[in-house]
Amino acid sequence: GAVVSQHPSRVICKSGTSVKIECRSLDFQATTMFWYRQFPKQSLMLMATSNEGSKATYEQGVEKDKFLINHASLTLSTLTVTSAHPEDSSFYICSAYDRVGSTEAFFGQGTRLTVV
Amino acid sequence: GQNIDQPTEMTATEGAIVQINCTYQTSGFNGLFWYQQHAGEAPTFLSYNVLDGLEEKGRFSSFLSRSKGYSYLLLKELQMKDSASYLCAVLRGTYKYIFGTGTRLKVLA
Repeated sequence: GAVVSQHPSRVICKSGTSVKIECRSLDFQATTMFWYRQFPKQSLMLMATSNEGSKATYEQGVEKDKFLINHASLTLSTLTVTSAHPEDSSFYICSAYDRVGSTEAFFGQGTRLTVV
Repeated sequence: GQNIDQPTEMTATEGAIVQINCTYQTSGFNGLFWYQQHAGEAPTFLSYNVLDGLEEKGRFSSFLSRSKGYSYLLLKELQMKDSASYLCAVLRGTYKYIFGTGTRLKVLA
């Protein structure tokens, strides 16, 4: 199947700093990627839809100024958590579809963010 | 609103069969998906249904009844490695998933 690579897998940062998470489609081009957040023992919650060459679409309740999304190429989307706080500590996962019309999403390995 | 419900936890014995249920109420429906997720890892695709009925893939089967807003995932010949969370997700529109709360399955020897 298609491969989505996410980096870093784990990051610890100090409160108030910013953290960038990368999501790459390795063997296909993705005009659209998705960012999810998962708190412990809870399910994935969609944060935003990342669109190549245009602004991301954010879900209700997600602060777009805090979670900056950039999708500058067909194989890379980045999520930057700005001015991180301990409550932002979570598991962040990206996903993409390998072709138009596909219904199976491929997920990155996830990034465990801990803000101290 | 969107509502997808699954049992929180289930326990079963190695070699047995287990059924994980999922009920949903969503605006828009383009299919129901099941994903497996081991702790700290990304979900991996198991099965999906668009039409009513049973889809079988090896040890895993998934059933859908759209009129009842109900699906289940059936796991046969359980193995220890099947201990994981199982996520039910409804596809709304073309790309947008809404995930259920997930069911943590523990397989005992």
